Amino acid sequence: GEDVEQSLFLSVREGDSSVINCTYTDSSSTYLYWYKQEPGAGLQLLTYIFSNMDMKQDQRLTVLLNKKDKHLSLRIADTQTGDSAIYFCAEKASGTYKYIFGTGTRLKVLA
Amino acid sequence: GAVVSQHPSRVICKSGTSVKIECRSLDFQATTMFWYRQFPKQSLMLMATSNEGSKATYEQGVEKDKFLINHASLTLSTLTVTSAHPEDSSFYICSARGEIWEAGGLNTEAFFGQGTRLTVV
Repeated sequence: GEDVEQSLFLSVREGDSSVINCTYTDSSSTYLYWYKQEPGAGLQLLTYIFSNMDMKQDQRLTVLLNKKDKHLSLRIADTQTGDSAIYFCAEKASGTYKYIFGTGTRLKVLA
Repeated sequence: GAVVSQHPSRVICKSGTSVKIECRSLDFQATTMFWYRQFPKQSLMLMATSNEGSKATYEQGVEKDKFLINHASLTLSTLTVTSAHPEDSSFYICSARGEIWEAGGLNTEAFFGQGTRLTVV
């Protein structure tokens, strides 16, 4: 079945890089996403990657996709305190608009 | 980018009453909207897919008589939690399918509302 997993917590110092990892099971997923959720708020789409790409960079964000291992990562360069939030990866189930979300990684940035 | 507005952001209701949550796409038409539920410190669980002008498709285990979904127009879907109980307390998030222009062309994505925190007392 479809399953998306992430580590629950990550703590980094301000200015360092953060790497949030995600594994998924649906090999036919066409898009993979990263969302940010701040306390009490909805989801903000950060970036996404097509399944035929290995890497996508968008300012401080770098997404790496290893399709063979079904592994997705989000790297945040020069992490700031405002980056503290929960980060969800998600895959779009093939042939539908159904999104399968990971468990979320709570990122805490220490000043 | 596309904006989805969800209202109310917070609601407290008495056990046994019904609560309606609205999800609006502000600057685009959404033929398909999705309703999610998020328990504390957990991921989002898809409850149902709402299609304009037709009945919603509910995920397994979601009571359709408990969670009534209406998608009467291309910009509005509503979720009504009927006869609410404390165990219905949760964070409910909607998303709407819309199209955005990117360097590669027109792309269809889901845009999320800000969520509604429902507390049933």
